[in-house]
Amino acid sequence: AQSVAQPEDQVNVAEGNPLTVKCTYSVSGNPYLFWYVQYPNRGLQFLLKYITGDNLVKGSYGFEAEFNKSQTSFHLKKPSALVSDSALYFCAVRGAMGGYSTLTFGKGTMLLVSP
Amino acid sequence: GAGVSQSPSNKVTEKGKDVELRCDPISGHTALYWYRQSLGQGLEFLIYFQGNSAPDKSGLPSDRFSAERTGGSVSTLTIQRTQQEDSAVYLCASSWTGASYEQYFGPGTRLTVT
Repeated sequence: AQSVAQPEDQVNVAEGNPLTVKCTYSVSGNPYLFWYVQYPNRGLQFLLKYITGDNLVKGSYGFEAEFNKSQTSFHLKKPSALVSDSALYFCAVRGAMGGYSTLTFGKGTMLLVSP
Repeated sequence: GAGVSQSPSNKVTEKGKDVELRCDPISGHTALYWYRQSLGQGLEFLIYFQGNSAPDKSGLPSDRFSAERTGGSVSTLTIQRTQQEDSAVYLCASSWTGASYEQYFGPGTRLTVT
């Protein structure tokens, strides 16, 4: 079975400060990892993904995420937060082996950026 | 190009009635997924379609829920004899074939059962 944990229900950060949204995962074999963002009353938007290669992945809107295999983590980061980054963020995982498997999402972390 | 569209955007129904939710995926996408998002909860997988293969129905919460995908494109999620606990946002997503491809989500249908 595969699973995702987002240990923080909410992250608060001041505009201009760096932000980190945490994600750890469990999956058999190598993982495919994804981050999505959901703005109010909207569907989820894809931000970035890790498939293979460099552990640091860059995505949309200045976000990046670092894959750490030994810690089974895929934390989302941004060097300087914007008020407009305030939204709900979801981490998701899927196993890369053995055919298709569904994408498993974490419960989400609400990011609040204060002016 | 056009993204994933869903209709209706909002649906209010009385307990015990049947409802149909529609999803139009991105043209050419072979995989289609349905999820349910309840207030304060994450995404709950319901069902997915992959090309002409039999759908994976492992996430459907009860036999009141069913879905079909006609012609490999449009999908309809049907909930029979709706209950208040069915109230949620129902999200549809589509993607290319392959585990490494990201899913593209529609705006969702907010279902309220009174």
